[in-house]
Amino acid sequence: KAGVTQTPRYLIKTRGQQVTLSCSPISGHRSVSWYQQTPGQGLQFLFEYFSETQRNKGNFPGRFSGRQFSNSRSEMNVSTLELGDSALYLCASSLNPGQGLREQYFGPGTRLTVT
Amino acid sequence: GENVEQHPSTLSVQEGDSAVIKCTYSDSASNYFPWYKQELGKRPQLIIDIRSNVGEKKDQRIAVTLNKTAKHFSLHITETQPEDSAVYFCAASRGSGTYKYIFGTGTRLKVLA
Repeated sequence: KAGVTQTPRYLIKTRGQQVTLSCSPISGHRSVSWYQQTPGQGLQFLFEYFSETQRNKGNFPGRFSGRQFSNSRSEMNVSTLELGDSALYLCASSLNPGQGLREQYFGPGTRLTVT
Repeated sequence: GENVEQHPSTLSVQEGDSAVIKCTYSDSASNYFPWYKQELGKRPQLIIDIRSNVGEKKDQRIAVTLNKTAKHFSLHITETQPEDSAVYFCAASRGSGTYKYIFGTGTRLKVLA
């Protein structure tokens, strides 16, 4: 099976702009979670989607949003970019949260640089 | 709030020695504890996990122990090899159908040849 894929892999944006990142989960996986990874803060949970519904949200401002499509692909959007949004954005997919299967598999990430 | 503390932040060991990384979680509802290894420039990879109904789990040179009472869990790597050098992250998660992970801040392990 193909692993989790993310596009684009690298992105450079200017402060004030917005950005959309995409994540395609492993085939058959229905849950997608997003994390922000920075050297200072480590991996921080952004949000989780299952069956096109947001199940959980982390402590990030409303500028960070996401959605999931019927094919389980997910996008996250960051509006009004700030310098502090520069980070590696990772998505992770999982099979089915209700089946006792807990493993999450990460994509390669999108490296966002805000200048 | 939910928090996972991880220690040490860096760890250097001689090849062949053992390495131990410790985590403490705050949310008593957590019942799943995965460990991820992240090599430079690569994605985090799940290396071992443990559920709250188990006290210890082993997989070759890697083991994880869990003390639910103390809310501690640890990663043990024996007979370390240079390829074990990476950043290791612990995480804690509740059950109830959510995949929200709270991660520790990571441990950079260096295995010296």
